[in-house]
Amino acid sequence: GESVGLHLPTLSVQEGDNSIINCAYSNSASDYFIWYKQESGKGPQFIIDIRSNMDKRQGQRVTVLLNKTVKHLSLQIAATQPGDSAVYFCAERGGYNKLIFGAGTRLAVHP
Amino acid sequence: DSGVTQTPKHLITATGQRVTLRCSPRSGDLSVYWYQQSLDQGLQFLIQYYNGEERAKGNILERFSAQQFPDLHSELNLSSLELGDSALYFCASSAKLETVAEQFFGPGTRLTVL
Repeated sequence: GESVGLHLPTLSVQEGDNSIINCAYSNSASDYFIWYKQESGKGPQFIIDIRSNMDKRQGQRVTVLLNKTVKHLSLQIAATQPGDSAVYFCAERGGYNKLIFGAGTRLAVHP
Repeated sequence: DSGVTQTPKHLITATGQRVTLRCSPRSGDLSVYWYQQSLDQGLQFLIQYYNGEERAKGNILERFSAQQFPDLHSELNLSSLELGDSALYFCASSAKLETVAEQFFGPGTRLTVL
């Protein structure tokens, strides 16, 4: 497959450990945030979302935390697996519901 | 498989040329979004169509244009290509105009301009 090839920050974790991926956003008026996962050679895939009236939302093995005071999002992945290796993007909703993506973080899971 | 299809998967062309990228949204989805993913700019929104009408424009160059046809498929036309246009181009679709979470992305078209 093809990689995105971006010069991205990389988070390296051991299989089974928890991963925390961070994201800063710029618009304090943003009301909706989403985390996407992009595997090599594929398009972004929705993981989890959170509205601005929430601080935390949990999914299956994933948790998103929102700190509006410092305009910060984090994605926590529990018991990280090799299949979690990918580039992770946060996105905020812009005008007309377009997505404004962050720069991305590459997650590398080692056995 | 998201249900969104894009063709071609790869495209190699020369500077100054014109290309057309095609997207078929998920069955029933009325809204189509185009994004560009380049090495230095990341994922950027280009343009959105809903049921055949342009709804929003992002950082889309004047050399680029798009349209959505009555059967809801969409085409992104890139003309007078430059080296810097080399990128992955993604199409996404959603059923509703207002629901961001339901944007499903296609596999992308990798454009290489030589």
